[in-house]
Amino acid sequence: DIQMTQSPSSVSASVGDRVTITCRASQGINSWLAWYQQKPGKAPKLLINKASTLQSGVPSRFSGNGSGTDFTLTISSLQPEDFATYYCQQANSFPPTFGQGTKLEIK
Amino acid sequence: QVQLVDSGGGVFQPGKSLRLSCAASGFTFSSYSMHWVRQAPGRGLEWVSLITYDASKMYYTDAVQGRFLISRDNSKNMLYLQMDSLRLEDTAVYYCAKSGGPAATTIFDSWGQGALVTVSS
Repeated sequence: DIQMTQSPSSVSASVGDRVTITCRASQGINSWLAWYQQKPGKAPKLLINKASTLQSGVPSRFSGNGSGTDFTLTISSLQPEDFATYYCQQANSFPPTFGQGTKLEIK
Repeated sequence: QVQLVDSGGGVFQPGKSLRLSCAASGFTFSSYSMHWVRQAPGRGLEWVSLITYDASKMYYTDAVQGRFLISRDNSKNMLYLQMDSLRLEDTAVYYCAKSGGPAATTIFDSWGQGALVTVSS
């Protein structure tokens, strides 16, 4: 199975900050990477697929980049509703696997 | 809009069985592969099972292979997960999830609200 490793595991930031989360795959996955946002007690929500394609309705302050093994999720200007846990997931090889999550907390 | 409603969770003893259900609406259910994804308390996400749009193929994570059975009823827009021989480590919130389509079978673009399964003696 492909291992997905996110860093950092948690990050504290303030409203208006720019934040970048990194995801690394244990082997190349082309651009088959998705990012999800999960708030406490809620189901995950797909933000970005194919590494950089924003889902409909997702604010443009979210962006994704990367291919191969190294990927990033950037939030350009944090809003109060962005404080949540973020997961990357590879969709290149079976079984699909997730990163361990990055918890974005308010400073 | 897409709606997925999970049901069937509860507290169950080790070795027992249960069936989770997922009612789908707002899209052509019979055209999409469907998944179950679980999340143990305080932990990350783990893919559990996939069934193709026509139920011709099913796949499972190793931890549930031989104990869980995924199925669907396209006439009722329903997805199921039969869970047998429950173990303590099956305790989790179980989400049904819709695939992103034939070009994105293992992208999960819509999720149910989750059903909590607690396995405890």
